[in-house]
Amino acid sequence: GDSVTQMEGPVTLSEEAFLTINCTYTATGYPSLFWYVQYPGEGLQLLLKATKADDKGSNKGFEATYRKETTSFHLEKGSVQVSDSAVYFCALSERNYGQNFVFGPGTRLSVLP
Amino acid sequence: SAVISQKPSRDICQRGTSLTIQCQVDSQVTMMFWYRQQPGQSLTLIATANQGSEATYESGFVIDKFPISRPNLTFSTLTVSNMSPEDSSIYLCSVTGQSGGNTIYFGEGSWLTVV
Repeated sequence: GDSVTQMEGPVTLSEEAFLTINCTYTATGYPSLFWYVQYPGEGLQLLLKATKADDKGSNKGFEATYRKETTSFHLEKGSVQVSDSAVYFCALSERNYGQNFVFGPGTRLSVLP
Repeated sequence: SAVISQKPSRDICQRGTSLTIQCQVDSQVTMMFWYRQQPGQSLTLIATANQGSEATYESGFVIDKFPISRPNLTFSTLTVSNMSPEDSSIYLCSVTGQSGGNTIYFGEGSWLTVV
């Protein structure tokens, strides 16, 4: 079945450092790929997505590129802020209408001032 | 994206009691989903709730423990029955976008602690 693997956390960075959170996936077809973010005490928010190979999703300074050849969707940000401290979930879906979402285990990011 | 409101946002519940979580969406949506997030864990799908039909439960979840209602296209409830400390989790309602597609959006979650 489909699966998503993320780098284990927690990840601790200093403010303005470069961030990479690795995500790789296994899927039988051609899934859409997502990053969701969960700030402390809140639900999940969609951060960005990509629906086909070589697409780049971006939002709030975060970027991720859909790499079919390496089955990856790594999340990057050039300069993190304390407010980026959260748990980040990589996810995929092979079907429309929200069915069959598969979430990774999540990576906790802590950014220190 | 739709605005999704959940009630209660947090609650502390006694062992053996039941609690109903409400999910209200500001627009009509076809698919609604209920997820559970246990402490420090990822999300697990409990069930898919479609209007006018029985909810579809995932493996490991049963209707007697997690009865779901979906009376219309903007509202759903999830009941957690006969609660035990192992049910302490965040319960999240999610919906697809207004245009369908394969993106889902989440409510703020209902954070339940069973004592």
